[in-house]
Amino acid sequence: DVKVTQSSRYLVKRTGEKVFLECVQDMDHENMFWYRQDPGLGLRLIYFSYDVKMKEKGDIPEGYSVSREKKERFSLILESASTNQTSMYLCASSIQGASTDTQYFGPGTRLTVL
Amino acid sequence: AQSVSQHNHHVILSEAASLELGCNYSYGGTVNLFWYVQYPGQHLQLLLKYFSGDPLVKGIKGFEAEFIKSKFSFNLRKPSVQWSDTAEYFCALYTGRRALTFGSGTRLQVQP
Repeated sequence: DVKVTQSSRYLVKRTGEKVFLECVQDMDHENMFWYRQDPGLGLRLIYFSYDVKMKEKGDIPEGYSVSREKKERFSLILESASTNQTSMYLCASSIQGASTDTQYFGPGTRLTVL
Repeated sequence: AQSVSQHNHHVILSEAASLELGCNYSYGGTVNLFWYVQYPGQHLQLLLKYFSGDPLVKGIKGFEAEFIKSKFSFNLRKPSVQWSDTAEYFCALYTGRRALTFGSGTRLQVQP
């Protein structure tokens, strides 16, 4: 069974803080993704990575950065958290090169920025 | 740019009613289409997917979806819903860009 884990289920931070969200997958997947989920907006892609140290911007990368130093781990960084980054953050992984691109999701981190 | 539209934002049904959730996409080339479901408090998980071949796709828990290329649609159906189908449903599109494009989701509430 594919397992994608995220470091925290709930996180509360203050405006201006640097925030790290961690994601780990145990299936040796090449692709990893970060989305944010907001009511009425669905899931929007922030960044994705298709290999170690490789990354590509998604649809809403502003205010975020990512790091992929190891294949199994993909970190999302909020350099200076703002209240409009209060959201549910979902990590996902998938096999590279598969046209199916079935993504496996983690449980999500609900981030509140005060 | 590709996009996915789910026009039903919130659907309320009684148990045993039939379900059809709409999904339309915008993209001119070959597509792969997915329905994901998120039960309350649980991970987002795959319900069914279409890649090629038979446009009628069957998924888990009695769900099915039909790909109609001429209408750019991939509607989700279930003949008889149960209270346990209460969840949020997301349609998603893959065009080879390595990432999925999701619709805004439909919240389904099934009343016993």
